[in-house]
Amino acid sequence: DTEVTQTPKHLVMGMTNKKSLKCEQHMGHRAMYWYKQKAKKPPELMFVYSYEKLSINESVPSRFSPECPNSSLLNLHLHALQPEDSALYLCASSQEGQAISGNTIYFGEGSWLTVV
Amino acid sequence: EDKVVQSPLSLVVHEGDTVTLNCSYEVTNFRSLLWYKQEKKAPTFLFMLTSSGIEKKSGRLSSILDKKELFSILNITATQTGDSAVYLCAVHTDKLIFGTGTRLQVFP
Repeated sequence: DTEVTQTPKHLVMGMTNKKSLKCEQHMGHRAMYWYKQKAKKPPELMFVYSYEKLSINESVPSRFSPECPNSSLLNLHLHALQPEDSALYLCASSQEGQAISGNTIYFGEGSWLTVV
Repeated sequence: EDKVVQSPLSLVVHEGDTVTLNCSYEVTNFRSLLWYKQEKKAPTFLFMLTSSGIEKKSGRLSSILDKKELFSILNITATQTGDSAVYLCAVHTDKLIFGTGTRLQVFP
């Protein structure tokens, strides 16, 4: 099973709402990632968790708050977003983020977020 | 600053043609280079390359890495309309750095 599952697939939220995106994998991977992808652009890294600890934050605004409750789950909490935050949010996982070379990184299908 | 550059940005071909997509990189702490195909959803994994000169093949797709010249190519032979997609090259350091992608359109 090489599956990364993301929910919801689509989300529409107002600028005052609080919502969360969820990501789950059961491959025993210890590194998990959030990426943001705008139309016709490559994915941009937001956060990396390695062994449930935040290891990389690419200067993401605080209205995005990641959480890794356990080794299989990764959440992205959203609060007071702006319309320009509308994008495809991709979760990914790999065996280990930093120590092992040659890690294949598997992506979920993404959550399409629209902020109105 | 780490960077990954893909060329061409877009490519239009007819079914049956062979295409070569290019990816060059300048990074510190190189671990591997990965190729992904992206249609309307998330990128799907194609190849991972860690060693120079060893060709990876999967059906009509093949890829090779040159760690001395810092580039990789992805070849697609006998293209089909289903190959139409954006092909992303990404280099794994302590994170995954994507190139801008090559948009391939294959017409019947």
